[in-house]
Amino acid sequence: DAGITQSPRHKVTETGTPVTLRCHQTENHRYMYWYRQDPGHGLRLIHYSYGVKDTDKGEVSDGYSVSRSKTEDFLLTLESATSSQTSVYFCAISEFLPGATNEKLFFGSGTQLSVL
Amino acid sequence: QKEVEQNSGPLSVPEGAIASLNCTYSDRGSQSFFWYRQYSGKSPELIMSIYSNGDKEDGRFTAQLNKASQYVSLLIRDSQPSDSATYLCAVIDSSNDMRFGAGTRLTVKP
Repeated sequence: DAGITQSPRHKVTETGTPVTLRCHQTENHRYMYWYRQDPGHGLRLIHYSYGVKDTDKGEVSDGYSVSRSKTEDFLLTLESATSSQTSVYFCAISEFLPGATNEKLFFGSGTQLSVL
Repeated sequence: QKEVEQNSGPLSVPEGAIASLNCTYSDRGSQSFFWYRQYSGKSPELIMSIYSNGDKEDGRFTAQLNKASQYVSLLIRDSQPSDSATYLCAVIDSSNDMRFGAGTRLTVKP
């Protein structure tokens, strides 16, 4: 596996509480992504980062924020968790610019988040 | 809405058979196409990429692309039980966004 570590691996929380998921990479890749995966929807992009302090919204960004203060770390925060945010969250990294023909995503092991 | 569609399955084939997985996409400006494999409870991993019309072969896997029909497929020859997984089709659309289908679950029966 590429050097990507997600933490925690599992999280159970209550509605209305803040939650932060961490993605740490040792590959020094510039591009980092947060996806959520739900049955019937596949992987959907939440936020992405093109570098330190350079982030942007993806397809399903409402209710989420991100930060990237170091190349190796990309944090996803649910400001006030809701039951609709129960999902599996994957971090991904890429060495090449999105859309480049040699783009390849490497995924972390995922975080199973349950919001009760 | 730019969409990537896959039959959710499950697709069941006997060991040694050819498994055929299909994907259609709505954005005609899409240029790059990928197949990821995801074992149950694991993360997706890239197995094939294809960028031009026609076939691309890699071992037992063949990706086929037809841009006119907006169709991409993955053939797995001599299917093995270890190929049992969910296969995700991914497309880089005209906005340079990578979009994933919901996946097709494949079961290869010994």
